[in-house]
Amino acid sequence: QVQLVESGGGVVQPGRSLRLSCAASGFTFSNYGMHWVRQAPGKGLEWVALISYDGSNENYADSVKGRFTISRDNSRNTLYLQMNSLRAEDTAVYHCASSPAGGHFDYWGQGTLVTVSS
Amino acid sequence: QSALTQPASVSGSPGQSITISCTGTSSDIGSYNYVSWYQRHPGKAPKLMIYDVVKRPSGVSNRFSGSKSGNTASLTISGLQAEDEADYFCSSYTSSSTWVFGGGTKVTVL
Repeated sequence: QVQLVESGGGVVQPGRSLRLSCAASGFTFSNYGMHWVRQAPGKGLEWVALISYDGSNENYADSVKGRFTISRDNSRNTLYLQMNSLRAEDTAVYHCASSPAGGHFDYWGQGTLVTVSS
Repeated sequence: QSALTQPASVSGSPGQSITISCTGTSSDIGSYNYVSWYQRHPGKAPKLMIYDVVKRPSGVSNRFSGSKSGNTASLTISGLQAEDEADYFCSSYTSSSTWVFGGGTKVTVL
């Protein structure tokens, strides 16, 4: 069955960096666009970034543009999110989600918690 | 891009039908048929229930249905069951080539 497992979360100081990973299995990873979506404590979901199936296209929310970079390694079935210049407002559970052609997210991981605090 | 607006909670008795609304703007729901709905039980990953406004993924009960009118989309759960008690949230593609989510609706089965 399809599995998306995020890792790499933790506590980090403001201004520092962190890299999240999302290990995919149970489907042909290289055929799917992939997203990162986050949920801050007590808040709703916020879309963060998208990468196309082959890594040739990326798009970002304005709130993270210039600080976060989404990437993928199709040979390792793994999605990444490099987060630089972290701010307190980046504190959230980060989910990866797969996306077939179209505008929806068909499978999600359970998420990894990132806490930005001094 | 502002979040989509959903009611905080909706409740119903077993067997009843309930409808959850999701209101956006002409830049998202009003312009695209890329509205989707997700169910999330506590501690679990979100599950896709409806996509492209009205389509149901394989394996999702036909008690779940979606619709859209103007800038508002709706999810209807008919024949409400105890297992439907969960959080539901909507999403739409936007004119900025981004995605926006609703704040979520807690469904309670009385």
